[in-house]
Amino acid sequence: AQTVTQSQPEMSVQEAETVTLSCTYDTSENNYYLFWYKQPPSRQMILVIRQEAYKQQNATENRFSVNFQKAAKSFSLKISDSQLGDTAMYFCALPGPPGGATNKLIFGTGTLLAVQP
Amino acid sequence: DTGVSQDPRHKITKRGQNVTFRCDPISEHNRLYWYRQTLGQGPEFLTYFQNEAQLEKSRLLSDRFSAERPKGSFSTLEIQRTEQGDSAMYLCASSWGGKGYEQYFGPGTRLTVT
Repeated sequence: AQTVTQSQPEMSVQEAETVTLSCTYDTSENNYYLFWYKQPPSRQMILVIRQEAYKQQNATENRFSVNFQKAAKSFSLKISDSQLGDTAMYFCALPGPPGGATNKLIFGTGTLLAVQP
Repeated sequence: DTGVSQDPRHKITKRGQNVTFRCDPISEHNRLYWYRQTLGQGPEFLTYFQNEAQLEKSRLLSDRFSAERPKGSFSTLEIQRTEQGDSAMYLCASSWGGKGYEQYFGPGTRLTVT
């Protein structure tokens, strides 16, 4: 079964500093996608970054980057130059089981990130 | 593109009552998903539509839950005979394609069953 584990329920970082959020997962697929979603206090979930498993290069979107370790099934999110607006719940997500017609997402339990001024 | 919208944003109901939620996806998206999120947890998949066809339902979706997507446009999620355990945030998401495609989420409907 596909599983996603986020072992850090809460984290705190000072404004302008760097923070890394951890995620491990399990899948039987060889080619898959991984996502980080952000859910700010207003509760609308938005995509932060996406990684394709067959790509060796780690994905980067402005201040957000990932460290994707396929063999270790690890997918951490690094936020550089943290801003107050980064305060949110962050979810790691993996599409559902192979062979299904669905692209349902399997989410971790989330990490609540607080950026301190 | 006005994003995914959900109505109502909040619903308080008494146990045993029926409730219905509506989701309007992004217009060109043919895939629509419903998730349920309880406090401190990640969203859990409930059901999936491709166009008007409901292609998958989670075991979380008991007989009291029904979802429709007539004409492949908006979707409704109905809960009959609500129970306190149904209290949660119900999220709708839509996407244009399959596994690698981003899902766009609505703001959710928060249900409180008293």
